[in-house]
Amino acid sequence: NAGVTQTPKFRVLKTGQSMTLLCAQDMNHEYMYWYRQDPGMGLRLIHYSVGEGTTAKGEVPDGYNVSRLKKQNFLLGLESAAPSQTSVYFCASSATNEKLFFGSGTQLSVL
Amino acid sequence: QQQVKQSPQSLIVQKGGISIINCAYENTAFDYFPWYQQFPGKGPALLIAIRPDVSEKKEGRFTISFNKSAKQFSLHIMDSQPGDSATYFCAASKGWTSGTYKYIFGTGTRLKVLA
Repeated sequence: NAGVTQTPKFRVLKTGQSMTLLCAQDMNHEYMYWYRQDPGMGLRLIHYSVGEGTTAKGEVPDGYNVSRLKKQNFLLGLESAAPSQTSVYFCASSATNEKLFFGSGTQLSVL
Repeated sequence: QQQVKQSPQSLIVQKGGISIINCAYENTAFDYFPWYQQFPGKGPALLIAIRPDVSEKKEGRFTISFNKSAKQFSLHIMDSQPGDSATYFCAASKGWTSGTYKYIFGTGTRLKVLA
């Protein structure tokens, strides 16, 4: 049972490069989320989706875009990476806005 | 205000001792208060959660105490074990009442239990 799968697990970018993080869940969950985790700042919500074809901004959406074309996938894009986007990114999904199921994270470094 | 303030930032406890982590919130619209446990290199996982209609919830060695009037809630880990060493996050959500489906997380507490 895979749960929530994030790819890639590690990535190093140069400033200005673009990339897409993929999140896939096999639990048929409606809600999906992208968080970033930084030391001393906990988990901050970037964007979220309440269903296929919907997206909404979270606490720290600037510099990121998302898409939910299929119910099981939630993509996070960085169009022009900046050093401030160096972080660990977590995707999560939930059925009822109660229990969140998290992926194992993507460690991103922007040089 | 949407913040959830968590303390302490780090905690060292002897094996068999009680670990206590505190959180305070400001928005009275929050209606769901979970605690997540995160081991190094892993994503957070739900540990235990409470709704504001009860003052305490216990699951094994883990207990949430909730004080609605003070807008505070805490996690107590009884008989702490080295395997409990992890980072703990409190959170608050108001999804059921507002439909926004967003969690606000605390900043985390790194717990180390000494053998």
